[in-house]
Amino acid sequence: TQLLEQSPQFLSIQEGENLTVYCNSSSVFSSLQWYRQEPGEGPVLLVTVVTGGEVKKLKRLTFQFGDARKDSSLHITAAQPGDTGLYLCAGASFNKFYFGSGTKLNVKP
Amino acid sequence: DTEVTQTPKHLVMGMTNKKSLKCEQHMGHRAMYWYKQKAKKPPELMFVYSYEKLSINESVPSRFSPECPNSSLLNLHLHALQPEDSALYLCASRRQGSETDTQYFGPGTRLTVL
Repeated sequence: TQLLEQSPQFLSIQEGENLTVYCNSSSVFSSLQWYRQEPGEGPVLLVTVVTGGEVKKLKRLTFQFGDARKDSSLHITAAQPGDTGLYLCAGASFNKFYFGSGTKLNVKP
Repeated sequence: DTEVTQTPKHLVMGMTNKKSLKCEQHMGHRAMYWYKQKAKKPPELMFVYSYEKLSINESVPSRFSPECPNSSLLNLHLHALQPEDSALYLCASRRQGSETDTQYFGPGTRLTVL
């Protein structure tokens, strides 16, 4: 069962463009994390959101947790080639974390 | 400090070999996880240890055997693996609190089974 639907799966954009990645579910999560992963490396934590409606900013990245704690979005402003990677969302429920399918982002110079 | 370490970084083994993967964290986290990740796919949960006891086994074949010797260490013993077991194996530890609930991942072990 895929609890978290992540979209889009692939995104190829030019440097300087904006983008938004979505993570949606019909399930409620106690928290939600966003990670970025390089090939052959472990996922690196970007942010954890816990409160419904919460918005967090990390430089050019803005993360939002839905009011009902079922969905989240990641918005990147003025993307740079260094933002290239696989972005994963993960929702926490009891002892498990449920991952979205991932968004492969390529930012072209 | 949010560091989870894993050794080795790379491992190549034959189908008759026995090897072990190691994971360590010193953040005082009491839940630790093993995941398997194939290329371009999200991590798949294998095992969860909570307070050094196995709490979840996601129907993983017995050729994978986890062990938690103490609260800081997690091992994954491998025996008689198949080529399809080749993947990136990730360890994670979990920090829980009223305002946070987060997994921190190690760098992974790239396993190749010949």
